[in-house]
Amino acid sequence: ETGVTQTPRHLVMGMTNKKSLKCEQHLGHNAMYWYKQSAKKPLELMFVYSLEERVENNSVPSRFSPECPNSSHLFLHLHTLQPEDSALYLCASSHGEGLVGTNEKLFFGSGTQLSVL
Amino acid sequence: SQKIEQNSEALNIQEGKTATLTCNYTNYSPAYLQWYRQDPGRGPVFLLLIRENEKEKRKERLKVTFDTTLKQSLFHITASQPADSATYLCALDPHTGTASKLTFGTGTRLQVTL
Repeated sequence: ETGVTQTPRHLVMGMTNKKSLKCEQHLGHNAMYWYKQSAKKPLELMFVYSLEERVENNSVPSRFSPECPNSSHLFLHLHTLQPEDSALYLCASSHGEGLVGTNEKLFFGSGTQLSVL
Repeated sequence: SQKIEQNSEALNIQEGKTATLTCNYTNYSPAYLQWYRQDPGRGPVFLLLIRENEKEKRKERLKVTFDTTLKQSLFHITASQPADSATYLCALDPHTGTASKLTFGTGTRLQVTL
């Protein structure tokens, strides 16, 4: 148990559906992240939140919409996805205090395996 | 463009031997480099971090080296065991700002056989 919980673990959705992925961290961290992991490709950083403020948005299509209502919760709202969006979506958190050292290691959840039909 | 390469997609070794995984990078000036382990269906788990001014870091059977001149990190698992079988990811962070912006390699899948 890493202290980062993601729900649901698996999600199948049609291209016209709207769904949300949820992430919760119980570690008292200040930074939270969404990563996408597709087969044979490296993890892709999608969004970064530091103290509930979005500090990074790596040219992610607008059909992905993040929300960080507080430092413990992170959502990824999905709508009108494409089949190529099928992937493992990973949430992570870190201390986010800008200190060099083990404070900046990431704690990942187990991910949501998303299939878009 | 920035690039991280891990030497091979898969590595098979015999139990008891030392596994050596390679991470090369280009067009980066990372403040530090991290290694993670990922098991199937799970998120990555942090193993070790090494800073740009450190040459070597050890933790139990794990050893990491970091050569900023060669732009390379080596990750060693000594006395490997079947339980070490997993995918190992290296990640770089330029360390600007208050949050990490790690970029990951594609990973090397290690298989340790009896």
